Amino acid sequence: GQSLEQPSEVTAVEGAIVQINCTYQTSGFYGLSWYQQHDGGAPTFLSYNALDGLEETGRFSSFLSRSDSYGYLLLQELQMKDSASYFCASHSGNTPLVFGKGTRLSVIA
Amino acid sequence: EADIYQTPRYLVIGTGKKITLECSQTMGHDKMYWYQQDPGMELHLIHYSYGVNSTEKGDLSSESTVSRIRTEHFPLTLESARPSHTSQYLCASSSRGGFGANVLTFGAGSRLTVL
Repeated sequence: GQSLEQPSEVTAVEGAIVQINCTYQTSGFYGLSWYQQHDGGAPTFLSYNALDGLEETGRFSSFLSRSDSYGYLLLQELQMKDSASYFCASHSGNTPLVFGKGTRLSVIA
Repeated sequence: EADIYQTPRYLVIGTGKKITLECSQTMGHDKMYWYQQDPGMELHLIHYSYGVNSTEKGDLSSESTVSRIRTEHFPLTLESARPSHTSQYLCASSSRGGFGANVLTFGAGSRLTVL
C-alpha cells in the first residue's frame, strides 16, 4: 500500500519562510512531487525529487531523504499569493501518482 | 495556456440524469486520469488510462465509467446521477516517458451539483 502524511494546516507571516513536511510509506518508491492548488483552481506542478537532496526553483525548494522516507517543501519570502493548498505525491512503479491529503497554507500580514 | 480542457465547467442537474464530463488534451499524452475532489479536501483517483482502449478503476469506488477511444479524449459518464455525486471532477494527463511522465497537467475541473 501507499500512504503519505502531511500537516493539515500551516500559518505563516508574509515575508517569512515556511516548511511543509511529508512522510511517505510507498512500496516501489522512486520519487516525490509537490503540487499547489489555489481555492477554486486546479493543482499545478511545483517540483519533483527523485534523488536525495535539495532542488531549488526560485522561492520554492523541495527536499527528499529516501532513507528517512521524508521530504519537505520550503517556501521563502512568503507572499499573500502563496496562500493555497500544497500536496505531496509519491511515484512508484507504473501505478498512478498517490497524493497526500494536502496542507492548507495561510499567509498572514 | 491550458492544454487540457474540461467541459462543462459547472453543471447542475437533477437526480437520475445521465451526464458525461468531457476531457480533451492536445499534448499527445498517453496517460490520462480522473480525480474527484470536494472543496479543500484530498484528491481521489477514480479512473485512469495508459492508452487507447485501456482503462482502469482507481482507489475510490465510483459509479462512473470512462472510455478511451482516442488518445486525446477521456470522457467520464455517470449513468444515473445522485446527490452523493456532487463534487469537483478533475481530469489530468501525463506523458508516457521521460521527465514528463512525472508531471501531471490538470484541467480546470468540472463542478457538478446534483439536486
